[in-house]
Parts: sequence; C-alpha cells; structure tokens
Amino acid sequence: DAKTTQPPSMDCAEGRAANLPCNHSTISGNEYVYWYRQIHSQGPQYIIHGLKNNETNEMASLIITEDRKSSTLILPHATLRDTAVYYCIVRPFQGAQKLVFGQGTRLTINP
Amino acid sequence: EAGVAQSPRYKIIEKRQSVAFWCNPISGHATLYWYQQILGQGPKLLIQFQNNGVVDDSQLPKDRFSAERLKGVDSTLKIQPAKLEDSAVYLCASSFLAGGTYNEQFFGPGTRLTVL
Repeated sequence: DAKTTQPPSMDCAEGRAANLPCNHSTISGNEYVYWYRQIHSQGPQYIIHGLKNNETNEMASLIITEDRKSSTLILPHATLRDTAVYYCIVRPFQGAQKLVFGQGTRLTINP
Repeated sequence: EAGVAQSPRYKIIEKRQSVAFWCNPISGHATLYWYQQILGQGPKLLIQFQNNGVVDDSQLPKDRFSAERLKGVDSTLKIQPAKLEDSAVYLCASSFLAGGTYNEQFFGPGTRLTVL
C-alpha cells in the first residue's frame, strides 16, 4: 500500500505557482520523498526527490517539513502542459527499488 | 537518447484469448519493470528484472501472466488466458543500475489492453 496521502484533485491558474501537498507521517529515517507526474496517455515522469533538505531543479521545488511528515511540490509558474496526475512516493534510496504509487493528485491548470 | 519503446500501443481481445506485449528499454539499463495501471489508479508493479533475472514478481498473477527478459535486453509480458479484469494500461520502465545514486525510472508510453 502507498504510504502517502494526497488530495485527489487541485486547480491552479496558468502562470501562478502550483503547490501540491503530500502527507507521509509514517516515513522512516532511510526513506526519501519522490515525485513523479503522469500526463494523459503517457507513462509517469520523474520530477524530483529529497530526504530532508529543500530541493530545486529545472522542473520544480520540493519543500520537506522539519519533522519530515509532509512535503509540498511547487511548480513556480504553472503552464497548461503541467496538467497531469502528480504522485508523491516514499521509499528507500537504493537505486533499483520499485515505486509504489497511490492515487495521486490530479492537477488542472486553467487558462 | 531514445526512450523506452513499447508495442503495440493498443490491443483489444476477447476474454480467454492470449496477448503479448513487448518492451525495449533504454540502452544500458540493467533494470526493467512491468507495471499494470487500471483506470483511475496508480501503476502497480507486476515484475522487476535485473539483467535477465527476476528480482520481484510477488504481485504477478502467475497462473495467467508470464514475463521474460531474454539476454537482459528486450522483454515480453504475456497474458494467457485474459480475463475482463485484465483491462488496463501495461507500462514498461527501465533504470540504470549504479550504486550510491538514485536511479530514475524511465517509463514507456504503455499498451492499453481492452478485454471484451
């Protein structure tokens, strides 16, 4: 079973920041937080991951609370192409571990 | 860099028929995964290969599903006989195996199976 809780859906206006929350209150010390997204009719795509420090890359920023029980994925300037289902996943860092997906959050970017 | 290739993209069969899906991972990726994604749900791992050996097939319905990865490159997933509840998208993913780093999984576009 997935170890995360996400809202089923969210809306955001184009050009605004999209903030997607994730609750992972049972995360253990050796587990990282990963985010993937799935655009309609495509396979999931990796976005970002982190352990306890905030992370940023060209796609998004990841903010993890100090107690590591929740996190927020931030898309700073959402575009229509960011409309997708976003999955928050926790798992150990080891390279070839499987991904356990929950239901994710369906993010709709409105013009 | 070429992505993960899958074929066919769509398949419609009658229940009790057989079907096979093919996956060609990214060159050099040692680990290959097959996921099943039922409509409205997240993907669920069916089987994971490392080179041509099975790492995890705990959620593969072995009475009807089989998979192989000959020579540690391409892979096929077979369903025989298919049931109505097998209607889903079958996703193949691959990752490079390297110690000490996160190995991002790259997914193919999937095969959408409809069982009538």
